[in-house]
Parts: sequence; structure tokens; C-alpha cells
Amino acid sequence: AQSVTQLDSQVPVFEEAPVELRCNYSSSVSVYLFWYVQYPNQGLQLLLKYLSGSTLVKGINGFEAEFNKSQTSFHLRKPSVHISDTAEYFCAVSEVDSSYKLIFGSGTRLLVRP
Amino acid sequence: NAGVTQTPKFRVLKTGQSMTLLCAQDMNHEYMYWYRQDPGMGLRLIHYSVGEGTTAKGEVPDGYNVSRLKKQNFLLGLESAAPSQTSVYFCASGVTEAFFGQGTRLTVV
Repeated sequence: AQSVTQLDSQVPVFEEAPVELRCNYSSSVSVYLFWYVQYPNQGLQLLLKYLSGSTLVKGINGFEAEFNKSQTSFHLRKPSVHISDTAEYFCAVSEVDSSYKLIFGSGTRLLVRP
Repeated sequence: NAGVTQTPKFRVLKTGQSMTLLCAQDMNHEYMYWYRQDPGMGLRLIHYSVGEGTTAKGEVPDGYNVSRLKKQNFLLGLESAAPSQTSVYFCASGVTEAFFGQGTRLTVV
């Protein structure tokens, strides 16, 4: 069965510093990969997605992620974070031809400090 | 552009009471989903639907029922609420990109 692991429950970082949020998945078939962001008391908003093609995916708000099939990873990066990036970030995977059901990781809280 | 709308936004139930959560989407999506979000556990799929008149079980379906009588609506029912069902519930629709509602915060006392 597929699963998603976000090893870091919280990542504190100073403003304008780079950040990487880690995501690893397990699946025996081809997958689609996603990163969602959740601001307090709000729903989830899609940051970026990998469906096929280039393994480097660029999303909104300056975020990007790289799909590494051999390491089954999809880490999220931003070269310079802002206070407004403080939020919870979820990695998710869905198996191709599985009714697009999303399996989520447990989330990483990004805390940007001034 | 409403997207996905959930009602109600907040609710407090007593153990044993029933309620229905409504999800409505205006994007003509075939696929709709109900998730619950609990601290430290991410979102877990309760039930989903791949089209009008169809429903299927997800990862944590026990204690919940769903119906998809109209394409734009997906209802989640709790027949006899339990404290373990205290959670934030999210509805989503879409295929290669899921659009989420704002959530329903449910407390069962």
C-alpha cells in the first residue's frame, strides 16, 4: 500500500533563508505527487504537482520540488522564505488509475522567524 | 467563483446525535472526496465518489455514510456521533488537482 512520510514535523527558519521540506513515499506503481499548503483555519491550497515530464516542478509563491524516482522522494524547496510562508505543508501522492485518491503525509509546520 | 463550499463551518454535537455535512462544487467535477484532519495525522480519506450515484469507501469509513444524488453535491452523514469523530472535515473535488473546501470543524461531546 502506498504511504507518505514527512520526517520533519516542524521546521524553524529565519526570514530570507533557504528551506527544504522533505517528503518520501512508497508505492509499487506509478504515482502523481503534490504539495499543498494550509494557512491557519483555512482549507488546503495546491502549491505544485508532478504528473509527468520534467522532474523539476515549479509552483506558486516561489516554491519548487524535484521528483526523484530512485529515492522515491519529492522534496519541496524555496531559496528565500518570507514571514508569510509560515503555514503547514502537506505532501500527497495518488497512484495512477486509482480514482485519484490522495494519500497525505502528516504535515510539516514551517515557522519563519524575523 | 465559489469552487467548493462546505456547510456548516462549525458544529457541536452530543454523543449519539446525527448530522449531515454538505459539500457543493460548481466546477462540474466527476470526482469528489471527504477527508478528516486530525493533529499529527494529516488528512485521511473517508469516502469518495467517481460520479453521480456512485460512492466508495476510503481509508477510515466506519461510522460515516455518504450520498451523491446530484453531481454537484456530496453529503457526509454521521448516524450516531462519537467523541472519536471530533475532527475537521474537508471536502474536495477534482482529478489531477483536488480543490478543497474551507472545512467543517466538528466537536462531539
